[in-house]
Amino acid sequence: GAVVSQHPSWVICKSGTSVKIECRSLDFQATTMFWYRQFPKQSLMLMATSNEGSKATYEQGVEKDKFLINHASLTLSTLTVTSAHPEDSSFYICSARDGQGKAFFGQGTRLTVV
Amino acid sequence: GIQVEQSPPDLILQEGANSTLRCNFSDSVNNLQWFHQNPWGQLINLFYIPSGTKQNGRLSATTVATERYSLLYISSSQTTDSGVYFCAGANNLFFGTGTRLTVIP
Repeated sequence: GAVVSQHPSWVICKSGTSVKIECRSLDFQATTMFWYRQFPKQSLMLMATSNEGSKATYEQGVEKDKFLINHASLTLSTLTVTSAHPEDSSFYICSARDGQGKAFFGQGTRLTVV
Repeated sequence: GIQVEQSPPDLILQEGANSTLRCNFSDSVNNLQWFHQNPWGQLINLFYIPSGTKQNGRLSATTVATERYSLLYISSSQTTDSGVYFCAGANNLFFGTGTRLTVIP
């Protein structure tokens, strides 16, 4: 199957700093990528849908200025958590959809803000 | 967005037993997929099944798109099947509430 690489796998940062998470589709082009947030023992909550070359579409309740998404190419999308605070600590997962409509997921990034 | 309900929320099975997991959608969906999330958080693709039936080893899935539901069958369950199973669908790939499966030896 297709491979999606997400980096870093885990990160610890100080409150007030920004963190960038990368999501790459390694062997296919993804016109659409998704970013999710997952709290312990809960489902994946869709944060935004990222389309190459256009602005991301954010779900209700997700702050655009807080979670900056850039989908600059058909193989790369980035999520930047700006001015991170402890309540932003979570597991963030990206997904990329191939030309047949199938979605493949990265390994996830565990963010801890101290 | 679309609401996705999964049942049961929790399931405990004896090794070797069979089970059926269900996924209901509030509206028509396309791109329906089933995933297994392992203990490290990685989501493993099980099936891409917008409609019809597919089988892969001990697992099979059926989607009845006109009635807005999908079923995942696990036969002869093994302890390695433990984890959380999610269905997801629609253009924005909304996730279901999940079924936490525990298979005991």
